[in-house]
Amino acid sequence: NAGVTQTPKFQVLKTGQSMTLQCAQDMNHEYMSWYRQDPGMGLRLIHYSVGAGITDQGEVPNGYNVSRSTTEDFPLRLLSAAPSQTSVYFCASSYGPYDRARNTIYFGEGSWLTVV
Amino acid sequence: DAKTTQPTSMDCAEGRAANLPCNHSTISGNEYVYWYRQIHSQGPQYIIHGLKNNETNEMASLIITEDRKSSTLILPHATLRDTAVYYCIVRAHTGTASKLTFGTGTRLQVTL
Repeated sequence: NAGVTQTPKFQVLKTGQSMTLQCAQDMNHEYMSWYRQDPGMGLRLIHYSVGAGITDQGEVPNGYNVSRSTTEDFPLRLLSAAPSQTSVYFCASSYGPYDRARNTIYFGEGSWLTVV
Repeated sequence: DAKTTQPTSMDCAEGRAANLPCNHSTISGNEYVYWYRQIHSQGPQYIIHGLKNNETNEMASLIITEDRKSSTLILPHATLRDTAVYYCIVRAHTGTASKLTFGTGTRLQVTL
């Protein structure tokens, strides 16, 4: 059981380049989400998904796209990287909302992105 | 989701209990109190959650006041490995359950 797996762990991009951060979970979780964390700050929600084929915007969605073609995968795409997107990105997943005992949210280990 | 207020930082001696307070005065009836911690830029780690009754697990205890406007996370015997940023979060178990609103948390420093 690998939990939530993010790749790559580190990436340096030039301004204007595009890339995809990969996130996969093997726990059959319905809910997946992406957060970013800037230095000294808490996590902020970028996009989330309540199931395959369903996505929605979070607090800071601009400059990012997501899709959810399978239950397991939830990639985050940076369309045209900007220095303001330099951050640590965390992917998270959990079961559906109605099972209190299993509603723990699991986070990946993070992807460090630098845009120069 | 209701907002929370936590102290910026706290110190605790190793072996002592660490009591981390959280104020959530605007919590609504269907919102749970969650605690996560983040050790040195790793992914946040779930600790415990509760609705209105006190909860205990192998990591910590959660004490929620009767009016549910505040809570305390208790690490009964803090160790150096408990040094981390602790986040108190309130959220409902309906709708967008994956949506957590993080504040800046409490930086707990456990010392010898």
